[in-house]
Parts: sequence; C-alpha cells; structure tokens
Amino acid sequence: DAGVIQSPRHEVTEMGQEVTLRCKPISGHNSLFWYRQTMMRGLELLIYFNNNVPIDDSGMPEDRFSAKMPNASFSTLKIQPSEPRDSAVYFCASSRAGQGFGAFFGQGTRLTVV
Amino acid sequence: AQRVTQPEKLLSVFKGAPVELKCNYSYSGSPELFWYVQYSRQRLQLLLRHISRESIKGFTADLNKGETSFHLKKPFAQEEDSAMYYCAPLPYSGGGADGLTFGKGTHLIIQP
Repeated sequence: DAGVIQSPRHEVTEMGQEVTLRCKPISGHNSLFWYRQTMMRGLELLIYFNNNVPIDDSGMPEDRFSAKMPNASFSTLKIQPSEPRDSAVYFCASSRAGQGFGAFFGQGTRLTVV
Repeated sequence: AQRVTQPEKLLSVFKGAPVELKCNYSYSGSPELFWYVQYSRQRLQLLLRHISRESIKGFTADLNKGETSFHLKKPFAQEEDSAMYYCAPLPYSGGGADGLTFGKGTHLIIQP
C-alpha cells in the first residue's frame, strides 16, 4: 500500500480564492482525520470521519471550512474563501479499529494564502 | 476517552546522553498508548505502541500504571533523533472512533 496520499503537496493561492485539499486513506481503514499544523497552535484536529460519516467537526475553525467523505477512499477539505491566517500544513490521517492500531499520516499539504 | 499530557515543550540533551520524554495519561480503564515522531518538515510517523513492547531506533516505552505514565526512553541519544515527539492514545474507544487529539508534543534537540 502507498500509504495515505494527499494532494497537492504545496498550494499557493490568493486571499478570497477557494482551496480544496484531497486525501486518499489507506485501503481498509475506516476512520479518517484532518489536522492543521502551525507553529503557534501545534497540531489541531479539525474533523474526523468514521465509516465515511463525520463524527465530530468541532475543531473546524469557521464556516469557511468544510469537509466531505463521499466514499471510503476519498476525502476533501475545502476552504472558501481562503484567508492568510489559513496558511498552515494540513495533514490527513487514517486508522482502523483494532487493538494496538495507531494512525497513519499523509505527507501533508503546505498551504500558503497570500 | 483517553487523554495524555506531555509536560515538557522542549528537551535539549547532548549526543550520547540518555533521553527521557515524559508522557502521563488520565484514563481509568486499560489505556492503549502510542508515540509518534515528526522529523523536520515531514509527516508524523508511528514510532512505538505500548502493546507490542518493541524497541524502535533504540527507543523504548513502558506503560507504568502506578504512575500513569508512558515515558519514551533511549540510553544514548543520536543527532538524528532531533524531532518533535507526540504521545497519543488509541484513536478509538468503545466501538467507534474517538478522535485523535495530540498535545503540544515535545521538541527534542540533540546537541553535538
């Protein structure tokens, strides 16, 4: 398995534009997590899904952020409109139920909003 | 839900010195705990899981139920160990995903 795959790796966009980040979890994993990482705030859990259903989106900072998981192999995190303070590295991780089973992370998307 | 705390934000030791990264948990049941490592500008990687009692890259971590701790240890630090280290619980509790919230982590710096 190629692991958790995120795209794009880097994104530079202008303030006000829509940004869509993509994630493909590891096959067979039934949970997916979206994180944002900044120097100031560390690693923040934004939202997570279990069996494609959003369980907790309380970490989503504002209504400008939305996430979907239309099927078990794909998820998106959308920011509309984007703002400079959204600049961060966004990580996706997947996991599955089972004793001793942790989470596996993608390479992240480095977002810069100018 | 399982919760962990890492009291040290930064830990700096010299190469060859022993390393201990602290992690304490608060959970009344049987915890399942993990250590993750993040090297500079890379993804988080699973380093250790307590259930397997393994040693990875010279690191070990023992679950101490009396002290409710899961400290990460290495007898002789190497420069390539410099990274962010996160202690975290199992992503699940009961029958479903419980979120996976990380603390601030500990930044380990190995000085030459």
